[in-house]
Amino acid sequence: GAGVSQSPSNKVTEKGKDVELRCDPISGHTALYWYRQSLGQGLEFLIYFQGNSAPDKSGLPSDRFSAERTGGSVSTLTIQRTQQEDSAVYLCASSPRGGDDTEAFFGQGTRLTVV
Amino acid sequence: GDSVTQMEGPVTLSEEAFLTINCTYTATGYPSLFWYVQYPGEGLQLLLKATKADDKGSNKGFEATYRKETTSFHLEKGSVQVSDSAVYFCALSPGGGADGLTFGKGTHLIIQP
Repeated sequence: GAGVSQSPSNKVTEKGKDVELRCDPISGHTALYWYRQSLGQGLEFLIYFQGNSAPDKSGLPSDRFSAERTGGSVSTLTIQRTQQEDSAVYLCASSPRGGDDTEAFFGQGTRLTVV
Repeated sequence: GDSVTQMEGPVTLSEEAFLTINCTYTATGYPSLFWYVQYPGEGLQLLLKATKADDKGSNKGFEATYRKETTSFHLEKGSVQVSDSAVYFCALSPGGGADGLTFGKGTHLIIQP
């Protein structure tokens, strides 16, 4: 597609359940990022992929969070045993090659609500 | 660690007013600086960027100058329009091969006709 696509756009889940969030980056973009946008917290960096490897996982908030990327394309962010504080908008972004001066293109996000 | 501080707003202005949204940063090394904008119902998109000291980024009438001496990257526009109403995020990329943006908390701008 023309832009970064994320699914689902909205997800309501019960506390304790696992959820998977999907990101389809722009075709040909080697770098992929996950961010979390919480009310009052702003945008937090979670993880960065270059190809299929994740050189920077420093932002993952706990071991309940994991992410993978296969074929240098689609990425999945998994949250296990969800908690109410996980409620947020999860944003995915991709860029052509990564690096500190390249533009990141963002998807519309997945709004996760844990009840 | 790296951080970005910006005025949170909401900032409410009349159409054709002059806009300044302040942004200051703390970083080691030589970061690149960005302003991203999120219009209602849309995803984040890059507005402008500057990659080294004294660079000026500009787009759609907006400007920001990378000031190393004051660690600032203030966003300005001479005459705002209703269509500029959005949330504006200042961000930095740390450089030196590291990646991932550090964002400010965002400034909600409301332009009244």
